[in-house]
Amino acid sequence: GENVEQHPSTLSVQEGDSAVIKCTYSDSASNYFPWYKQELGKGPQLIIDIRSNVGEKKDQRIAVTLNKTAKHFSLHITETQPEDSAVYFCAAGAGGFKTIFGAGTRLFVKA
Amino acid sequence: GAGVSQSPSNKVTEKGKDVELRCDPISGHTALYWYRQSLGQGLEFLIYFQGNSAPDKSGLPSDRFSAERTGGSVSTLTIQRTQQEDSAVYLCASRGGGEYAGYTFGSGTRLTVV
Repeated sequence: GENVEQHPSTLSVQEGDSAVIKCTYSDSASNYFPWYKQELGKGPQLIIDIRSNVGEKKDQRIAVTLNKTAKHFSLHITETQPEDSAVYFCAAGAGGFKTIFGAGTRLFVKA
Repeated sequence: GAGVSQSPSNKVTEKGKDVELRCDPISGHTALYWYRQSLGQGLEFLIYFQGNSAPDKSGLPSDRFSAERTGGSVSTLTIQRTQQEDSAVYLCASRGGGEYAGYTFGSGTRLTVV
C-alpha cells in the first residue's frame, strides 16, 4: 500500500521568510496530492492540491511542486505570516478514493 | 448542512465501556471517511464508505471497532470495550464532486478513556 513520508516534523521561520515542506510517496499509482492545514482544535482543511499530470500549481502565497519520477512533492509558502502557523499534512492517493496522509509538519511563524 | 458535523465534540468514558461517535456529512457527498489522530500525531485511516459499495475496513485497528453508514448519509463509529490506547481525536470527512475532490473534515470528537 501507499506510504507517505513528510519532513520536517517541525519548522520555525521568521515572519516574511519562506517555508518549504517536503513529502515522498511510494505507490507509483498515486495521482492526486492534496495538502491540508490544521489549526488548533479544528479538523484539517484543504488548502491546495495537485494532480500527477501537472508539475506545479500556485495559489497566491502557496505553491506545490510534484516530481513523479522521484516520487516527491513539496509545499512552498512565501512571505509567511503568523496566521500561517499550523500543522500541515501532505497526502497521496489514487484519484482521492483513499488518501494516505503524512505525519504532519508543525509550522511556527515568529513575528 | 454547510459542513461536516461530528458529535459529541468531547467524550470521556471509563475503560471497558462502549462508545458511539456520530458523523453528519455534507449533503450529497457520497464518500465518507473516518480517521484517528493521536496527540501530536498524523492521521490514521480507519474506514471508508463510498456510495452503496461495501466499506473499506482495512484500517480498523481491532474487532472492537466498527462503523456503519445508514441511508448513505449519517455514519456512526462504535468502539466496544474501550481501552486507554483508544484515546484520540476521531475525525470524519466527506467528499463529493468527483474522484479528485478534496476532503471536508469535521472538527472531530476528542475521546478520552480513563
